[in-house]
Amino acid sequence: DTGVSQNPRHKITKRGQNVTFRCDPISEHNRLYWYRQTLGQGPEFLTYFQNEAQLEKSRLLSDRFSAERPKGSFSTLEIQRTEQGDSAMYLCASSTRRGTGESSGANVLTFGAGSRLTVL
Amino acid sequence: QQPVQSPQAVILREGEDAVINCSSSKALYSVHWYRQKHGEAPVFLMILLKGGEQMRHEKISASFNEKKQQSSLYLTASQLSYSGTYFCGTEGYNTNAGKSTFGDGTTLTVKP
Repeated sequence: DTGVSQNPRHKITKRGQNVTFRCDPISEHNRLYWYRQTLGQGPEFLTYFQNEAQLEKSRLLSDRFSAERPKGSFSTLEIQRTEQGDSAMYLCASSTRRGTGESSGANVLTFGAGSRLTVL
Repeated sequence: QQPVQSPQAVILREGEDAVINCSSSKALYSVHWYRQKHGEAPVFLMILLKGGEQMRHEKISASFNEKKQQSSLYLTASQLSYSGTYFCGTEGYNTNAGKSTFGDGTTLTVKP
């Protein structure tokens, strides 16, 4: 088990360009989450998947952001027409969960090291 | 509906104790605590499910008061390695279920 892997670790791009990040979760984890973190803030929820199904997307998330998890394994997060305000650390986390609420047990997140995006 | 953490920052001498608080305006199913060191990913410390059980990880313990929608993290006899930013993550019910919402963190600095 090599943990949650993210790449690239760093990405510098010009405003208006598209970028894509990849996350490889722990193999037996069925849940995959994307968070965004800026300096001095906690992780901000973006979206999450259970297997290949995208169960929720933050209402604050622009339409320029899209995520996929084909075949329920790795996931990609694409940002189109990047803006300077998109500069942040993009964190991926995975967990194993049977549902939600009291019958589903603890949802312990294992985070990847993150992909840092700088938009010039 | 982000949880609120307090204090924002704490500076301690090695061996001193600290308490970090996390409160939410929504009903909570669980509270998680993570520690993040500079430039690294958040690392899971412990999770508390409703029922008010205290959990312990080495000399770090936590409590969860479901009725008050609050959790506290207790760091006893702090060590240099405890330095970092501590985040609480909360999970609620219904539309707030399935994902953790994080506070803005408490930065702990332990000095020799």
